Amino acid sequence: EVQLVQSGAEVKKPGESLKISCQATGYKFISYWIGWVRQMPGKGLEWMGIIQPSDSEITYSPSFQGQVTISADKSISTAYLQWSSLKASDTAIYFCARPLYPTRATTTIISLWGQGTQVIVST
Amino acid sequence: DIQMTQSPSSLSASVGDRVTISCQASQDISHYLSWFQQKPGKAPKLLIYDASDLETGVPSRFSGSGSGTDFTLTISSLQPEDIATYYCQQYDNLPLTFGGGTKVETK
Repeated sequence: EVQLVQSGAEVKKPGESLKISCQATGYKFISYWIGWVRQMPGKGLEWMGIIQPSDSEITYSPSFQGQVTISADKSISTAYLQWSSLKASDTAIYFCARPLYPTRATTTIISLWGQGTQVIVST
Repeated sequence: DIQMTQSPSSLSASVGDRVTISCQASQDISHYLSWFQQKPGKAPKLLIYDASDLETGVPSRFSGSGSGTDFTLTISSLQPEDIATYYCQQYDNLPLTFGGGTKVETK
């Protein structure tokens, strides 16, 4: 089955680091980019950035550049989103997503989503 | 950045009603628009892409129209399982951007 499986919920303190994952199954990982989308509590969807698993080329949304790091390990078909120092405002659900067609084009249709990872940052 | 403005932000309708949601882009995005449905605690689900193409497996009561800056999602006959929040999203330019969402509830 073609799916994106994300790591479980996390509860962290401000200042801590965190790395969440998104494992692709059922398709050729390097043929599709993986993107990350943030949804803050009760709010809408915000695109954070995209990684090309074939060569780890990354495109960040300007709003998230320098705030997070996106990476991937093609040997285990997994993409990552990480923070070096969490803030309370990072509390959100984070989704990974994939385009409808195999492509390097970043302006294309998002079709497949992971189930989401809840991140709570609180003292 | 291209701003996507949805209206209304919420609506209440009866089962069987025709429901229309609007989405306006701040600049011409041709037909590069998708619609997603999101239920509480779930990931978004693709309904429509390229403004009017129905994703495989999506019921035919959903339809999309528009081009340029003005787009519409229509549910021809609202069903109980359609209760959700709906988002438009443009993919004409980076950064990819979403509308603020329309919450559909039943009367």
